Amino acid sequence: QQQVKQSPQSLIVQKGGISIINCAYENTAFDYFPWYQQFPGKGPALLIAIRPDVSEKKEGRFTISFNKSAKQFSLHIMDSQPGDSATYFCAASIGAGKLIFGQGTELSVKP
Amino acid sequence: DADVTQTPRNRITKTGKRIMLECSQTKGHDRMYWYRQDPGLGLRLIYYSFDVKDINKGEISDGYSVSRQAQAKFSLSLESAIPNQTALYFCATSDRWGGTYSGANVLTFGAGSRLTVL
Repeated sequence: QQQVKQSPQSLIVQKGGISIINCAYENTAFDYFPWYQQFPGKGPALLIAIRPDVSEKKEGRFTISFNKSAKQFSLHIMDSQPGDSATYFCAASIGAGKLIFGQGTELSVKP
Repeated sequence: DADVTQTPRNRITKTGKRIMLECSQTKGHDRMYWYRQDPGLGLRLIYYSFDVKDINKGEISDGYSVSRQAQAKFSLSLESAIPNQTALYFCATSDRWGGTYSGANVLTFGAGSRLTVL
């Protein structure tokens, strides 16, 4: 049972374009939705996170859009750069409980 | 030195062998986790520990065991390794209060241990 479903599995974007990664969840008790970024040979690291009481969270070129009624949230990377090439994971948790991760999206930004 | 250190970083073993992956942290965090990463399946939780006396099974604990030797040390064992346990394994820690995201878990991951079972 996959509680957090992520798509697409891979994504190729041209430099300067917008990268969009989507996640859907099933458990309406989830109240914390982070995104993690993983570079090759490294462990994932927290990129940005949102709580369901807001519809959008922006940090620099990275934005989370949250749709509570649809049980979906997405990561938008504006002005994508080759340095953004990485694997991105969405996740969800209830309070301070364990994180459940999505399947991951491998992003490649072409120069 | 890294905040979360995993050893070994790479290991090749044979079916039926006992394997231990070790994790140590200098973050002072109470909570520690073991995740497994497989292409297309993402990060799946194997075991987690919210303090030294607390051990919990995750999504895919069958075939694995863990030991929390101290607040800073959390090891993962495969008693009899099989080929479908070939994967990238991550240890992670978290602070209960999460700093900026108060009340949530912000995970700090190690660099990973790549295990190949032949």
